[in-house]
Amino acid sequence: DVKVTQSSRYLVKRTGEKVFLECVQDMDHENMFWYRQDPGLGLRLIYFSYDVKMKEKGDIPEGYSVSREKKERFSLILESASTNQTSMYLCAGSSGGGFSNQPQHFGDGTRLSIL
Amino acid sequence: AQSVTQLDSHVSVSEGTPVLLRCNYSSSYSPSLFWYVQHPNKGLQLLLKYTSAATLVKGINGFEAEFKKSETSFHLTKPSAHMSDAAEYFCVVGVGDTGRRALTFGSGTRLQVQP
Repeated sequence: DVKVTQSSRYLVKRTGEKVFLECVQDMDHENMFWYRQDPGLGLRLIYFSYDVKMKEKGDIPEGYSVSREKKERFSLILESASTNQTSMYLCAGSSGGGFSNQPQHFGDGTRLSIL
Repeated sequence: AQSVTQLDSHVSVSEGTPVLLRCNYSSSYSPSLFWYVQHPNKGLQLLLKYTSAATLVKGINGFEAEFKKSETSFHLTKPSAHMSDAAEYFCVVGVGDTGRRALTFGSGTRLQVQP
């Protein structure tokens, strides 16, 4: 079965720290995505990648960056964590070619708290 | 541009009664539409998808949705609710315009199932 794995379920960090959230997929997906989920706001796209070393900004990229050095791994980086980045972070993958008509497969999420 | 509106933030039904979760979309192009379900502390799971084939789409766990272009709607239904259906549901639209390889999520509908 398809699988997207996020390295941490819960994470607590301090303001100003550099934070790495890791995501690995075993489905050979070309596309990978990072979202944050907040109550009442649904999912908001932070960044996505459609190939190794390629990335595009989503709707709320400020304060974040990403890295995709290998096809199966997509990392989200909080350059200098702030309390307003406390949230649930979800990683997803999808097949390429079909662009937005392809369903995405999600990991279980990382609940990040910034103190 | 594309957008999606879930008309109810909360829906409560009794076990064994029908479920209706409403979703309207807007899109300049022929859309792809999806419904996802999220159980507590889990990632999103795909329930069903519409990609311009049959307008009535059957999904997992007895759910189905009907694409109505004239009404720009894609409502999710189930004839008989089960306690395990209690979760948050997201309507999602994807449109392959301007190379955007991502999906737009609604803000979610929380379904409660009363015994």
